[in-house]
Amino acid sequence: DGGITQSPKYLFRKEGQNVTLSCEQNLNHDAMYWYRQDPGQGLRLIYYSQIVNDFQKGDIAEGYSVSREKKESFPLTVTSAQKNPTAFYLCASIGGGAVYDQPQHFGDGTRLSIL
Amino acid sequence: QKEVEQDPGPLSVPEGAIVSLNCTYSNSAFQYFMWYRQYSRKGPELLMYTYSSGNKEDGRFTAQVDKSSKYISLFIRDSQPSDSATYLCASPARQLTFGSGTQLTVLP
Repeated sequence: DGGITQSPKYLFRKEGQNVTLSCEQNLNHDAMYWYRQDPGQGLRLIYYSQIVNDFQKGDIAEGYSVSREKKESFPLTVTSAQKNPTAFYLCASIGGGAVYDQPQHFGDGTRLSIL
Repeated sequence: QKEVEQDPGPLSVPEGAIVSLNCTYSNSAFQYFMWYRQYSRKGPELLMYTYSSGNKEDGRFTAQVDKSSKYISLFIRDSQPSDSATYLCASPARQLTFGSGTQLTVLP
């Protein structure tokens, strides 16, 4: 079945440590997105990529980095510069066309906590 | 001011009730509106999307848009315990802008 796979499901970070969240899709979608979800704040866009080897900052990119070396993969690194990383992280993708023409397909998220 | 504001809830209703979930938006450029449903510890899934003012129906769900008042609603008829989830409204501008979500519990 086609879909988006996020791993791990739960992740713990020590102070000063970088961690990388994995997102893989087999939907052949061009655009991929990373969101952060905090209680009572909905989804906030961290980074997005509309094509391989290109990505753009979203609304809350500080303390995060991404790469898009392959169409199917869009890993997110939470760096030590992100002072409040505890959140639920969601990866999404859409196929070609405008944002409103396509529903975003979401993975089941990674819950990151600080040790 | 957030571009999409949503009643935070939580909302708890008995099985069979009619549920009304509401959002307002501030950006007149928003033309399309989406409702996502998110079960606990899962990613959101698209429930409905609509473009024009008026109603769009899909089974027990009706999405309503009033562009004159910048108000969007999702109605659930004959609510079921399986409808218990967080509902997020969203609108695409440069990228998708989400409301904060309303947590709904339908009690059997």
